[in-house]
Amino acid sequence: DAGVTQSPTHLIKTRGQHVTLRCSPISGHKSVSWYQQVLGQGPQFIFQYYEKEERGRGNFPDRFSARQFPNYSSELNVNALLLGDSALYLCASQSPVTTGELFFGEGSRLTVL
Amino acid sequence: QKEVEQNSGPLSVPEGAIASLNCTYSDRGSQSFFWYRQYSGKSPELIMFIYSNGDKEDGRFTAQLNKASQYVSLLIRDSQPSDSATYLCAVNMGYNNNDMRFGAGTRLTVKP
Repeated sequence: DAGVTQSPTHLIKTRGQHVTLRCSPISGHKSVSWYQQVLGQGPQFIFQYYEKEERGRGNFPDRFSARQFPNYSSELNVNALLLGDSALYLCASQSPVTTGELFFGEGSRLTVL
Repeated sequence: QKEVEQNSGPLSVPEGAIASLNCTYSDRGSQSFFWYRQYSGKSPELIMFIYSNGDKEDGRFTAQLNKASQYVSLLIRDSQPSDSATYLCAVNMGYNNNDMRFGAGTRLTVKP
């Protein structure tokens, strides 16, 4: 079975632009979480979606938004990009068996110039 | 106060030694705790999870949890150079496993 897939893997944007990152969870997983990981730091929680509804939100500005589609894939949108948004954006899905384990994709590396 | 705190390291141990990684968390109501390993340039992968006070062993890895002290640790026995990575402590602070918070990670180097 395919793992969590994310696209694009790398992208470069300039300040003020908008970016959309995409994620497909493991088949059968209905929950998707988004994390931001800055170099040298642990992943920071942005959002969790379950069955198309937002179930959790971290301490990120309103420039960050997300949604989940009927097929459980998800998009993360970031508006008005800042230099500080440069990071690895990780998507993770969770098993319906509630161990809570997160299965991560390989991430989308965003560079803002 | 940070929600999940880890010693940032770096931690260096010789091959065959025991590596001890520590983590404290702020939310006394947290119920589930995880250790992830992240190799440089890769995404995190789960090593172990623990829910109950005490020790949980899986091969060379032992997770220890003390909810009263809000402390969780990971011991790696017979450390190997392939264990060299950043180890992330994660604590689920939400109901329904919907708010997983990570520490900054401890970088471990195992020297041959």
